Amino acid sequence: GENVEQHPSTLSVQEGDSAVIKCTYSDSASNYFPWYKQELGKRPQLIIDIRSNVGEKKDQRIAVTLNKTAKHFSLHITETQPEDSAVYFCAPPPTTNFGNEKLTFGTGTRLTIIP
Amino acid sequence: NAGVTQTPKFQVLKTGQSMTLQCAQDMNHEYMSWYRQDPGMGLRLIHYSVGAGITDQGEVPNGYNVSRSTTEDFPLRLLSAAPSQTSVYFCASSYGVRGSGGYTFGSGTRLTVV
Repeated sequence: GENVEQHPSTLSVQEGDSAVIKCTYSDSASNYFPWYKQELGKRPQLIIDIRSNVGEKKDQRIAVTLNKTAKHFSLHITETQPEDSAVYFCAPPPTTNFGNEKLTFGTGTRLTIIP
Repeated sequence: NAGVTQTPKFQVLKTGQSMTLQCAQDMNHEYMSWYRQDPGMGLRLIHYSVGAGITDQGEVPNGYNVSRSTTEDFPLRLLSAAPSQTSVYFCASSYGVRGSGGYTFGSGTRLTVV
């Protein structure tokens, strides 16, 4: 599977400010880049994703940007609200090498929005 | 369309007991996998399957078995429960063989081994 690093591991921001979480991956052939959100006590859910032929995708207050040269992609949350408090995971899937189908998740970023 | 259904939601086992966690999806997804999540930790891959009849080990497979006789079902068996297996277990599936298109997770099974 991929070697995935996620930074920071914890992040606290004032309500209304922006938050950025970065995910670095190892497989240069990766072509799909998702972000998941896990609220306390709940299951992870896909919130936004991007494919390698696009550099940025936005959905209301959240966006994902991709830098294929540097092999990282980032989650951007603007105008943060208390309900954005959660753990966020990145999980770029492995490419089509037989026997390499393990999908591993980043270690997660715990985002806390301070009212 | 129920998505990914996991049962049971909660389970308490005694050390040495065995049990099966059930996972079923109705989205015709090829790729299914099991993760465990310990308190305050990330998701660790136990076993996965790229299609009916095909399974493989993940990062932490010891103490667990899986089978995939149909596209829909992917049960996880604990052979002889140990306190170290106390965790929350998530089943997930994806249309893409390698997660492309995103994962759909079940609601989880909270397992306690005493």
